[in-house]
This record gives sequence, C-alpha cells and structure tokens, in this order.
Amino acid sequence: DGGITQSPKYLFRKEGQNVTLSCEQNLNHDAMYWYRQDPGQGLRLIYYSQIVNDFQKGDIAEGYSVSREKKESFPLTVTSAQKNPTAFYLCASSIDSLAGGDNEQFFGPGTRLTVL
Amino acid sequence: AQSVAQPEDQVNVAEGNPLTVKCTYSVSGNPYLFWYVQYPNRGLQFLLKYITGDNLVKGSYGFEAEFNKSQTSFHLKKPSALVSDSALYFCAVRGTDLYSSASKIIFGSGTRLSIRP
Repeated sequence: DGGITQSPKYLFRKEGQNVTLSCEQNLNHDAMYWYRQDPGQGLRLIYYSQIVNDFQKGDIAEGYSVSREKKESFPLTVTSAQKNPTAFYLCASSIDSLAGGDNEQFFGPGTRLTVL
Repeated sequence: AQSVAQPEDQVNVAEGNPLTVKCTYSVSGNPYLFWYVQYPNRGLQFLLKYITGDNLVKGSYGFEAEFNKSQTSFHLKKPSALVSDSALYFCAVRGTDLYSSASKIIFGSGTRLSIRP
C-alpha cells in the first residue's frame, strides 16, 4: 500500500455521531483523494485536493467534510448528515499537478466504517 | 461525460489458461487508462496504464492490456493465469480535456477474477 497510511482500520459509529478518518502520505504527492467503496459499485469520489488549503467536492460529497492544512494529511469527517455511511473508505494520492493527469494513484489500506 | 464499463461482474478461469478482463470507456479527448487490482480488505494496487504510444502495455505480475481506440476498449490480459491472480480488478479512465475536472478519475464497477487450480 505504498507510503499511505489510514487509521483506524475498523471504525464503529453510533447514530448521530461525527467520526474522522485519518489519511497520511509520505510520498510528497500534491493531490489526495477520498473514495467510498460499496459492493458492486466500484469506487465513488467523495472529495479531492490538488494543493494544500484547497479541495473540491467529488460525486458524493454530501454528509462529508475534509481539510487539507498540510501536504501530508487529508482527514475525512463523516458527519451525522450522511444517512448511510457504512462502507469501506479509501484514501489515495498522486503526483498530479493542475496540468497533469497521467499519473497513477497510490492507495491506502482502507478504513471500514460501520454504523451501529 | 466520462464513463467506464466492466461488463462482467465475475470471470472464472482455470490455472494455466489465458485470461481476459474487459473494459470499455467513453471520454472527451484522448484517454488515460489504468488497471488496478484489489485483494480482500486492502487498498487498490496499480497494475499498468496507457498514456500514448504502443497499444500493448505491459505491467506488473505478467499482466498486459491492449488499447483499441476504434472499439474504445482497454482489456486486461495474461497469457497464463495463477491462483494468486484471484482478486477484484478495476479499470479506470481519465480524459485529457483540461477544461474538465482534471483530477477526476472514473473507476469501473470492478470484475472479480477467480482462478481455479
């Protein structure tokens, strides 16, 4: 899983709670991404960031929030507004610049979130 | 709009036989195409990519993929399958239209490859 770490590996949330998933990379990559994986649906993009202090919504951003205060870190908060948060969450990074696009992504090992 | 399709949810192959995992795409501009593999409860691992040039791309673990522009396909292949190749495989595409969302890669829904001994 390269130089990307995610924690925790398993996370349990009660209804109405906010939880934060950690993602750290030591690859010196500019771009970082959060994906949600559900069975049979592939990966869906939640948020991405191409540079520190900037991020954009992906396809399913509702109920989630992120920050990018440091190049190495891109935490994801799953808020109580996310009605169906049980899923496998994957963080990724790539070298990408704003003019690039042909660089592959490096993925972390994932966090499995379960709502109790 | 960009899209990528993996028409087979599952592919079953006997060990030692050739395997093919299919992928078709739709993008604006020329495509950047990727294949990733995922083992259970793990993140995705990069296998190979097509950017430009030779239509046959070679990647990790003996895998290769053939870019076919006229059929808008990028099928993953391996001449001789191993039981250890059993995993979930994802095709991904990114268009080169810089006026679109340049950092978004679109992933297919995945194909589960099962290699029987």
